[in-house]
Amino acid sequence: GNSVTQMEGPVTLSEEAFLTINCTYTATGYPSLFWYVQYPGEGLQLLLKATKADDKGSNKGFEATYRKETTSFHLEKGSVQVSDSAVYFCALSPNNNDMRFGAGTRLTVKP
Amino acid sequence: DTAVSQTPKYLVTQMGNDKSIKCEQNLGHDTMYWYKQDSKKFLKIMFSYNNKELIINETVPNRFSPKSPDKAHLNLHINSLELGDSAVYFCASSQRVDEQYFGPGTRLTVT
Repeated sequence: GNSVTQMEGPVTLSEEAFLTINCTYTATGYPSLFWYVQYPGEGLQLLLKATKADDKGSNKGFEATYRKETTSFHLEKGSVQVSDSAVYFCALSPNNNDMRFGAGTRLTVKP
Repeated sequence: DTAVSQTPKYLVTQMGNDKSIKCEQNLGHDTMYWYKQDSKKFLKIMFSYNNKELIINETVPNRFSPKSPDKAHLNLHINSLELGDSAVYFCASSQRVDEQYFGPGTRLTVT
């Protein structure tokens, strides 16, 4: 089946630290991959996406590269800020009618 | 202007009651969704409606019934509420499945 597995949290970092949140997927065919972010008390927002192998999605200093050989889509940011504290969801869409989310990883950034 | 809105924001009710959550989107999207997020932040799709037709119905109890009076609205009715129904319910809409816009969520507490 189609699913994503992301690293369990919570993740706690100091401001300006490097962030990696791992995400691997299982899918038939060639899915599109996404990262969504949920700030406290809000709904999910699309952070970035990649639709084919070797594509790199980027937004707000976050990046993720679609790696077909390792079936991964790890989220990275070079220098996190307190305002990045949120829950991050990896997701995949195997077709135009479905979206599968990972379990979410809570990130807390301390000043 | 709010793109995807849900009412109520909080809902506290007793076991056995019937309740509804309303969702409206003003984005002109063709597809709307309902998700359930449990206490561990795991997000699970429940329903998807495209032009008022159900296109995904994950294995949710038939006590949950989505109702779409028109393309801009997708309401969720829940019969005979149970303790395990306590969660945050998110409505979302999209024109394409990969760019979903989420509402702020409805926190349902069943006592």
